[in-house]
This record gives sequence, C-alpha cells and structure tokens, in this order.
Amino acid sequence: DQQVKQNSPSLSVQEGRISILNCDYTNSMFDYFLWYKKYPAEGPTFLISISSIKDKNEDGRFTVFLNKSAKHLSLHIVPSQPGDSAVYFCAASFMDSNYQLIWGAGTKLIIKP
Amino acid sequence: EAQVTQNPRYLITVTGKKLTVTCSQNMNHEYMSWYRQDPGLGLRQIYYSMNVEVTDKGDVPEGYKVSRKEKRNFPLILESPSPNQTSLYFCASSFGGGGNQPQHFGDGTRLSIL
Repeated sequence: DQQVKQNSPSLSVQEGRISILNCDYTNSMFDYFLWYKKYPAEGPTFLISISSIKDKNEDGRFTVFLNKSAKHLSLHIVPSQPGDSAVYFCAASFMDSNYQLIWGAGTKLIIKP
Repeated sequence: EAQVTQNPRYLITVTGKKLTVTCSQNMNHEYMSWYRQDPGLGLRQIYYSMNVEVTDKGDVPEGYKVSRKEKRNFPLILESPSPNQTSLYFCASSFGGGGNQPQHFGDGTRLSIL
C-alpha cells in the first residue's frame, strides 16, 4: 500500500512555461513533505519542503502547495528551464516513525527547448 | 566539499558471495540511512541509524545488515546476496532524522546479483 503516490511517470513541458508536478498521500499524520530532484547517475538532491501547518512555501522559481483536505501537494516550477529536466520525487515524514521518509515513485520531467 | 561517498559505484557478483557497500560522510551528521530504488517503487528504506551504535530497521531490512561504529561510516552488508537484491542503492545522511532536516545522498551503487 503506497502512502505517497506520484501518478504521472513523466511530464513534458515547453521551456519557459510552468511545470506542475503532483503528489497524493493517504496518511493524514505526515508532518513534513519534501521534494527531491534526481539527475541520472547521481543521488537525489533536496529541492524544497513544506510543513503540514503551512499551505505554501516558495523558493525562487520553485513553489510547493499543500492541500491537506485533498491530501495533495504540488510543485510548481516557473519558468521551466532545460536544467530542470530530471526525475522529481515527493517524500513525506511523520514524527511517530522516527521521521522515516516515505517516497513516491517519481515523475520524470522533460523540458523541451 | 560536503559529501556522501559510496563505494563501489557498480558491482556484478554471484549469489551467496558476501559483499559490503561502504558509505562515508564528512558533514558530522548524526543520522544515516540506506535506501534501495527499484522501478516504479521510489526509494525504500532498508536501515537507518540515529547515531553511533544506534541502528534500526526500515521498510525492507531482510537480507541486509548494517553497523555504525563511527559517526562518519555506515556500511551496508549483504551476507548472502540473492538476485532479488539486484537494485540501485543510496546512502544518505542528515543532522537529524526530522522531516525538516533534508538528507544528503551519495551517488548510488548499482548492484547486480547473478
């Protein structure tokens, strides 16, 4: 039973436009949500996070939105750049499990020139 | 340079031959963790360690061992590897285990067990 789901295996976006990556979760006890970015042959790198007590967090071109009632979060990248082409993972954690991270399967983002 | 270093990066071996994947971090992090990544499943935690001599099982610990004798090192041991352990493995570290403490990852170790 996957507690964190990324239902789109891939997404293709034109350079300069907005990229929206989605993530759904089932456990309402999650207290933090994180996005990681992964290039081929490298490990994931942290991108942005959001606490469950907030509904938005912004860092430059990246914004994460959290909708607790829908158990849904999204990552917006504006404007999209070629270097954004990567696999994006959504992850969630909750205190009662020693902050173990539960990961989605990832979405491959392709930015077309 | 702050980093998590895994070795080897690639390994092809045979069933039953013990192997160790090393992981070392130079950031003085307390928390270290091992994950495996399989297609369509994202990352799944194998073992984690909150500090020296403190380790605990993650979601998929069967067939693996770990040790944390020093703060910087967290080796992953496969005593008797089997083909279902063929996967991409990542080591990660952070200052704490909290969700607000982003983890730093190594570049991965691709294991093939024949």
